[in-house]
Amino acid sequence: AQSVTQLGSHVSVSEGALVLLRCNYSSSVPPYLFWYVQYPNQGLQLLLKYTSAATLVKGINGFEAEFKKSETSFHLTKPSAHMSDAAEYFCAVSHSGGSNYKLTFGKGTLLTVNP
Amino acid sequence: GAGVSQTPSNKVTEKGKYVELRCDPISGHTALYWYRQSLGQGPEFLIYFQGTGAADDSGLPNDRFFAVRPEGSVSTLKIQRTERGDSAVYLCASSLDPRGSYNEQFFGPGTRLTVL
Repeated sequence: AQSVTQLGSHVSVSEGALVLLRCNYSSSVPPYLFWYVQYPNQGLQLLLKYTSAATLVKGINGFEAEFKKSETSFHLTKPSAHMSDAAEYFCAVSHSGGSNYKLTFGKGTLLTVNP
Repeated sequence: GAGVSQTPSNKVTEKGKYVELRCDPISGHTALYWYRQSLGQGPEFLIYFQGTGAADDSGLPNDRFFAVRPEGSVSTLKIQRTERGDSAVYLCASSLDPRGSYNEQFFGPGTRLTVL
């Protein structure tokens, strides 16, 4: 079984401040890990993914995440928040084996960016 | 090129009615997925099609839910005898064949189903 916990359902930052969205996972096999962003009335968009290559993963829009096996974490960061980053962010996990298609999502974190 | 499209964008129905939700995947994507996103939750996996067949339907909550993909492209999610608890956003995604290696899932905008 696999699961994802996102700490903080709502994170608020000032424009230009560091963004840190937390994600911890549990998985009985080596995981694939993902961050998705969802803007209002739009579908989920993949920000970045970890599929057992480099542990520091760079994604779109200046976001990056680091896979830390010892901490079972995959936190999402961005050095400087922009107003356009305001959205809901979902962390997800799947297996590296035959069921790699089955994504298990966290409950999401709503990011607010204040001017 | 066009992304994943879903129709209708909103559907309001009464308890006990039957509904169909449609998904048009990205052309050439052999894999198609349905997820359900309830209020305040992340998406939950329902079913995965590879071509015309349902390769994994372990996420369907009960036998009121059924999905088809008769020609390996468009898919329809069917819900019989709808209940208020079925109210959610139903998301569809498609990808290239995930067997053997991971392939990114591209999501549609979803259908918001409200059961009164």
